[in-house]
Amino acid sequence: QSALTQPASVSGSPGQSITISCTGTSSDVGGYNFVSWYQQHPGTAPKLMIYDVTNRPSGVSHRFSGSKSGNTASLTISGLQAEDEADYYCSSYTTSSTLGVFGGGTKLTVL
Amino acid sequence: EVQLVQSGAEVKKPGESLKISCKSSGYSFTTYWIGWVRQMPGKGLEWMAMIYPGDSDTKYSPSFQGQVTISADKSISTAYLQWSSLKASDTAMYYCARRVGAAVINFDYWGQGTLVTVFS
Repeated sequence: QSALTQPASVSGSPGQSITISCTGTSSDVGGYNFVSWYQQHPGTAPKLMIYDVTNRPSGVSHRFSGSKSGNTASLTISGLQAEDEADYYCSSYTTSSTLGVFGGGTKLTVL
Repeated sequence: EVQLVQSGAEVKKPGESLKISCKSSGYSFTTYWIGWVRQMPGKGLEWMAMIYPGDSDTKYSPSFQGQVTISADKSISTAYLQWSSLKASDTAMYYCARRVGAAVINFDYWGQGTLVTVFS
């Protein structure tokens, strides 16, 4: 069981916006601005999309944005495109002995 | 260009040992942590461990402490993940990745993955 809770799946139509949530506790998501988001297409390695809650690495589309409220972080994708269809994982620093933890992943389907 | 290139797929029997590698290039190997992430078939990502090649400092997730050993060879910019006695449940894709920033799981460059299959 993952320490961070994500919805198993979300979907949207091209051009729409969707939001994926990542819920933790005050010991991880809520307590620190160390939330990252990764995109993984089938058969490929994950790709960093957002780090430190809101920051985009160079080369990542501005359509991807991150935010946090309390113990829940969110990834928003605007102007959905077919290529956005993938699995998305959040991660966070945690004060538990694991130091870091991933969410269970969310499958995004572009209708 | 930053690259992490992992060793090829492995097929092993239970009880056998294994060491897989991750060769880095395009940056200063000794100044970034290298982490290892497991992905079991059809499942999500799990952080396993990381090493700082500069001084070989290591951190392990409790779930993997004692199950695997990580190491690094600065002279060839290569990190390793090894098992002394594989189990069928070790069957998975294993990724290495370069850590940046302060967060433990903040990996900006990833290897292509090494598929490890363990069966009798």
